[in-house]
Amino acid sequence: NAGVTQTPKFQVLKTGQSMTLQCAQDMNHNSMYWYRQDPGMGLRLIYYSASEGTTDKGEVPNGYNVSRLNKREFSLRLESAAPSQTSVYFCASSELSTGAGGYTFGSGTRLTVV
Amino acid sequence: QQQVKQSPQSLIVQKGGISIINCAYENTAFDYFPWYQQFPGKGPALLIAIRPDVSEKKEGRFTISFNKSAKQFSLHIMDSQPGDSATYFCAASRVGDMRFGAGTRLTVKP
Repeated sequence: NAGVTQTPKFQVLKTGQSMTLQCAQDMNHNSMYWYRQDPGMGLRLIYYSASEGTTDKGEVPNGYNVSRLNKREFSLRLESAAPSQTSVYFCASSELSTGAGGYTFGSGTRLTVV
Repeated sequence: QQQVKQSPQSLIVQKGGISIINCAYENTAFDYFPWYQQFPGKGPALLIAIRPDVSEKKEGRFTISFNKSAKQFSLHIMDSQPGDSATYFCAASRVGDMRFGAGTRLTVKP
């Protein structure tokens, strides 16, 4: 039982480069989320998808785009990476958009932008 | 502005002691309050959660106390063990929006 799978686990980018972080869940969850985790700031919501076909901005969406490819997959794209985007990125999913029952998180992608 | 404030930032407790972590929230629209536990190199994992119509919830050694009028809630870890050493996050949620506290790094000394 894989849960939430994120790829890649580590990535180093140069300023201005682009990349897509991939996320897939096998729990048949309706809602999916992208968070970034920075020291002393907890987890901050970048974008979420309450259900297949919908996406909405979270707390810190600038510099990011997302695609809910199907019910299983939710990708995060950095079009032009900046050093301020150095962070650990977590994808999560939940059965309900209310979050009740909790989120299941992936193991994260550690991104460094130089 | 941080919608969920968590304290302390770090906590050291002796084995067998009680660990207490506090959180306060601002938005009264939040209706679900989970706690997550995170070990190094891993994603957060749901530990225990409560809804605002309940003042306390206990699961094993972990208890959430909830004060709706004060907009505060706390996690108590009884008989703390070295295996409990991790970072703990409180959170507050409503539809499509879960806000996390900044985290508490708990160290339980043997």
